[in-house]
Amino acid sequence: DGGITQSPKYLFRKEGQNVTLSCEQNLNHDAMYWYRQDPGQGLRLIYYSQIVNDFQKGDIAEGYSVSREKKESFPLTVTSAQKNPTAFYLCASSIVLGTGLTEAFFGQGTRLTVV
Amino acid sequence: AQSVTQLGSHVSVSEGALVLLRCNYSSSVPPYLFWYVQYPNQGLQLLLKYTSAATLVKGINGFEAEFKKSETSFHLTKPSAHMSDAAEYFCAVSGSGGGADGLTFGKGTHLIIQP
Repeated sequence: DGGITQSPKYLFRKEGQNVTLSCEQNLNHDAMYWYRQDPGQGLRLIYYSQIVNDFQKGDIAEGYSVSREKKESFPLTVTSAQKNPTAFYLCASSIVLGTGLTEAFFGQGTRLTVV
Repeated sequence: AQSVTQLGSHVSVSEGALVLLRCNYSSSVPPYLFWYVQYPNQGLQLLLKYTSAATLVKGINGFEAEFKKSETSFHLTKPSAHMSDAAEYFCAVSGSGGGADGLTFGKGTHLIIQP
């Protein structure tokens, strides 16, 4: 089945530690996104990538880093510089036509908790 | 910048009653609009989308939404609520960059179904 796979589902991070969240898609989509979800805040864009080896900062990129070495993969690293990383993280992918984004498909999310 | 406003962070209806979730958007160009549903600790699932083909859009699970340009609204409705409709609902608009920079989300509405 085609879709987006995020792993792990739950992740615990110690203070000062970097952690990497995995996102893989087999939909052959060019564009991929990382969102952060906090209660009552909706979804906020961290990073996005329109093509391999290129990515752009979203609204809340500070303390995060990404890479896009393969079309299928868009891992997110939460660095020690992110002071409040506890949140639910969602990865998405989409087809983008000349007229706009047609639909974003989402993974099942990773819940990150600082311990 | 694009923005989406969802009126009411929590909406409570009785089983069998009409569901109405409100969404207003700001956009300088005709947008693509979306409604997503999220169940606890899961990703987002597309309910329906407006892409300018028809102002009344029918989605899954009996939901529909009407695009009203004069009111910049895209409210979500369902004639008869079911217990399984209890979830978080998000309205979203395609980004100002033609969509390649992702979706802009409202803060969500938590739908509560009373038995």
